[in-house]
Amino acid sequence: GAVVSQHPSWVICKSGTSVKIECRSLDFQATTMFWYRQFPKQSLMLMATSNEGSKATYEQGVEKDKFLINHASLTLSTLTVTSAHPEDSSFYICSALELAGVSYEQYFGPGTRLTVT
Amino acid sequence: EDQVTQSPEALRLQEGESSSLNCSYTVSGLRGLFWYRQDPGKGPEFLFTLYSAGEEKEKERLKATLTKKESFLHITAPKPEDSATYLCAVQTSYDKVIFGPGTSLSVIP
Repeated sequence: GAVVSQHPSWVICKSGTSVKIECRSLDFQATTMFWYRQFPKQSLMLMATSNEGSKATYEQGVEKDKFLINHASLTLSTLTVTSAHPEDSSFYICSALELAGVSYEQYFGPGTRLTVT
Repeated sequence: EDQVTQSPEALRLQEGESSSLNCSYTVSGLRGLFWYRQDPGKGPEFLFTLYSAGEEKEKERLKATLTKKESFLHITAPKPEDSATYLCAVQTSYDKVIFGPGTSLSVIP
């Protein structure tokens, strides 16, 4: 199956700083990528849909000025958490859609654990 | 409102005891239904995609089926290594992917 990578796998930062998380599709091109957030023992919450070459579409309640998403190429999307606070500590997961004939599959990255102190 | 629910919330099985997990959905147009397995601290691992009612897919001890309102993930003769959280997700006609809350499966040796 297709592979999606995330970097870093974990990061600890101080309150007020910004953190960038990268999501890459390694062996396919993805015009659409998604960013999710997951709290302990809870399901994934969609934060935004990222389309290559256009602005991301944010879900209701997600601050677009705080969670900056850039989908600069068909294999890379980045999520920047700006002015991070402890409540931003979470597990962030990206996924990418791979077109397979007339259908498509969604593959997930391994996730990034963010801890804000 | 688009919604995906899963039941049961948690399931405990003896090794070899077959069972089914349920995913029910109410969405504005279904483009696809996905099943994933997630181990603690890791990203979801893709299992199946189903596109139309009546479709079935199998992989080892897992079999996924789809109707117009729900999907089932059947686990036949599970093993301890099948213990994980199983997530279903629905892609709507607006290309939004909505996840269910998951079913936590524990298989006891």
